[in-house]
Formats: sequence, C-alpha cells, structure tokens
Amino acid sequence: KQEVTQIPAALSVPEGENLVLNCSFTDSAIYNLQWFRQDPGKGLTSLLLIQSSQREQTSGRLNASLDKSSGRSTLYIAASQPGDSATYLCAVKSYNQGGKLIFGQGTELSVKP
Amino acid sequence: SQTIHQWPATLVQPVGSPLSLECTVEGTSNPNLYWYRQAAGRGLQLLFYSVGIGQISSEVPQNLSASRPQDRQFILSSKKLLLSDSGFYLCAWSVQGASYYGYTFGSGTRLTVV
Repeated sequence: KQEVTQIPAALSVPEGENLVLNCSFTDSAIYNLQWFRQDPGKGLTSLLLIQSSQREQTSGRLNASLDKSSGRSTLYIAASQPGDSATYLCAVKSYNQGGKLIFGQGTELSVKP
Repeated sequence: SQTIHQWPATLVQPVGSPLSLECTVEGTSNPNLYWYRQAAGRGLQLLFYSVGIGQISSEVPQNLSASRPQDRQFILSSKKLLLSDSGFYLCAWSVQGASYYGYTFGSGTRLTVV
C-alpha cells in the first residue's frame, strides 16, 4: 500500500531565503506526482505536476524534482516571500492503487517578513 | 476551460440531521470524480470515487454515501450526521482514461456538526 511522507511537518524561514520541502513515497509504481498549495480554510491549488518519466518541473520560483527509483521528490522555493506562507501537499497517483491520488500530511510553511 | 464548483462553502449542522453537499464540473465530459475529507490535523482521505453515472466506489466504511445522478454532478450525503463527520470536504476531478493527468480540486466545504 502506497504511503507518502512529508518532512518537515512545519517550517519557518525569514523572507528571501531559499528552501526545500521533502516528500517520499514507498511504492515507485506511480503515474505522476503533484505538489499542491493549501491556504487556511481553502481548497487545493495545483502547483506542479511531474510525470513518472520526468525528472523535474519548473514554474516561476518553484522547482520540483522527482527521483522515482528512490521514492523521493523535492519542492524548491527560491527567494521566499510572506505570500508563500501556506501548507504544501505532495501527492502521488499510484499505479497499484488504481490511479488514486495518495497524499502526504503536508508541510506548513511560514515565511516571516 | 474546466472549472469545478462546490457548495455550500460552510455548513453547521446538528447531530442527527441530514447532509447534502454538491459538486459540479464544467468544461469536460465523463470525468472521474472524487470526494476527499480533511480532518483537523490529518491528511486528505479519499472517501468515494466515480468513473461514470451511477458508478460509485467507497473507500472507507462510514456514515456517508455518494451519488452521481448526472455526468458532471457528484453529491455527498448522509441521513444522520455524527460529530465525527465534521471536517473539510473536497471534491476533485480528473480526466478518465488518461493516467498522465493530475487532479483538480474544488474550494471545499467546511462542515461542523454540533
């Protein structure tokens, strides 16, 4: 059964700092991996989608990498801003679970001005 | 472009009352539809998914049920709410038969059972 783990659970950084969020998964049989952002009390906004055949995806200050064989992904945020404060969720579309999206518990990020 | 709508945004219901949450998708046909629940301090749990009208799969035994009366409409229901049904409910859709597509989520419904 696929399990997704995100470390750290919470992170607080000063504005301007570059940071890395980590995601690991136990079953490498995935179709893709998605990073989401969730603001308090809001729905999920998709940030980046990486297919299983890809190594990384970039959008603005965000860069996500995928190492399927080792079951790891990282989300790199450059030059963090207070507006980046949110919970970041990693999810894998698991082949062996019928294509269902399996989530990690999230990393709560606080960027202080 | 495709959009997904959920309503209501917030709901406070007494224990034992019925529940109906609605989700609709626009701009696509025959989507896969999903209901997730996010309890306080916990991750997202898949409750139900549907690959077509009238086709519902349940992931967790519980007090809730789901229905898909139309292609792009997904409803989450309960006959009698429990305190443990409180949480944040999210609807999502994905393209059917295309494993490379990601999921798109709605804005969620905050349900408080009192």
